Amino acid sequence: NAGVTQTPKFRVLKTGQSMTLLCAQDMNHEYMYWYRQDPGMGLRLIHYSVGEGTTAKGEVPDGYNVSRLKKQNFLLGLESAAPSQTSVYFCASTPPSRQGAFFGQGTRLTVV
Amino acid sequence: KQEVTQIPAALSVPEGENLVLNCSFTDSAIYNLQWFRQDPGKGLTSLLLIQSSQREQTSGRLNASLDKSSGRSTLYIAASQPGDSATYLCATGDSGGYNKLIFGAGTRLAVHP
Repeated sequence: NAGVTQTPKFRVLKTGQSMTLLCAQDMNHEYMYWYRQDPGMGLRLIHYSVGEGTTAKGEVPDGYNVSRLKKQNFLLGLESAAPSQTSVYFCASTPPSRQGAFFGQGTRLTVV
Repeated sequence: KQEVTQIPAALSVPEGENLVLNCSFTDSAIYNLQWFRQDPGKGLTSLLLIQSSQREQTSGRLNASLDKSSGRSTLYIAASQPGDSATYLCATGDSGGYNKLIFGAGTRLAVHP
């Protein structure tokens, strides 16, 4: 049972480059989320999805886009990376019932 | 806007001590509250989930309590071990639905032999 899998685990980008982070879950969860974690701060919600084909903005959505074309996958895109987007990115999923969230192992992104 | 605060930010204790980690939140209208463990460079592992209607949850040496009226949750760790060394995060679930989480900054725990 893989749970939530994030790809890649590490990446270094140059300012202005683009990239896509992939999150895949095998638990048939309806809800999926992207968070970022910065030193000294808790995780903050970037975007989330409550089902296939739906997305919504979280607390810090600027500079990011997302897509949920398949129920099991949630993609996070950076169109033009900036140093301020250097962070650790976590994907999570939950079922719609009152159950806890399951997190992936994170993607450490550095923008130089 | 919900704000979640964790005190202390860091804690260093000898092995065997009983510990209390604190989490406070400003909006009592929460869906649930979840405690996580995070090891360096790793993802988050869920420890305990307390629904808004519950007062506490227990798992092994861990016990988490929830007092919505005062906006507080505590994580109690009994007989701490070096393997408990990690960062502990609490997060409240958004009462507006969809279980969006608001996190505290965490308590970094070091248990030394």
